[in-house]
Amino acid sequence: AQSVTQLDSQVPVFEEAPVELRCNYSSSVSVYLFWYVQYPNQGLQLLLKYLSGSTLVKSINGFEAEFNKSQTSFHLRKPSVHISDTAEYFCAVSEGYGGATNKLIFGTGTLLAIQP
Amino acid sequence: EAGVTQFPSHSVIEKGQTVTLRCDPISGHDNLYWYRRVMGKEIKFLLHFVKESKQDESGMPNNRFLAERTGGTYSTLKVQPAELEDSGVYFCASSPANYGYTFGSGTRLTVV
Repeated sequence: AQSVTQLDSQVPVFEEAPVELRCNYSSSVSVYLFWYVQYPNQGLQLLLKYLSGSTLVKSINGFEAEFNKSQTSFHLRKPSVHISDTAEYFCAVSEGYGGATNKLIFGTGTLLAIQP
Repeated sequence: EAGVTQFPSHSVIEKGQTVTLRCDPISGHDNLYWYRRVMGKEIKFLLHFVKESKQDESGMPNNRFLAERTGGTYSTLKVQPAELEDSGVYFCASSPANYGYTFGSGTRLTVV
């Protein structure tokens, strides 16, 4: 069975500092990997995804994540955060290549708390 | 393009009552999913519709939960009777294909 671990429930960081949100997964099959973000009082939004190809994927607002198959990780990074990045971030996986339902398996989320 | 719409946004009901959540997917999206997040825990899959058919309902917690999708358009999720542990945020998502999810803003259900 697939599972996703986000060890940090909350990450406090000062504005303009770098941040890394950790995500590890376990799966016996190939997976697709996602980061979703939930801003206060809003729904889940896709931040970035890895389906295949380059292991480094980037979002339009400066986040990036690298798929590391040997370490089964998909950590999210940003070199300099802004107050507007305050949100809860969810890592998720789904079965690749013919998975029956393509349902998402989520981690427990990491709250990114930006301090001025 | 209108997004995925869920209502109500909040619902507070007493234990034993019935609640119906509604999801309007993006027009033309055949796939519709329901997920739930119980406070402090991960977001969990409940079920998946393809048009009006249930493709996978393996995540439905028990038979107090009933999901329908009328004519392959909007979907409802009914909880009857509601229990305290049903409290959480219920998310709906739709997609035209396998990996293009769009989530709604969720319905926060509180059972007291």
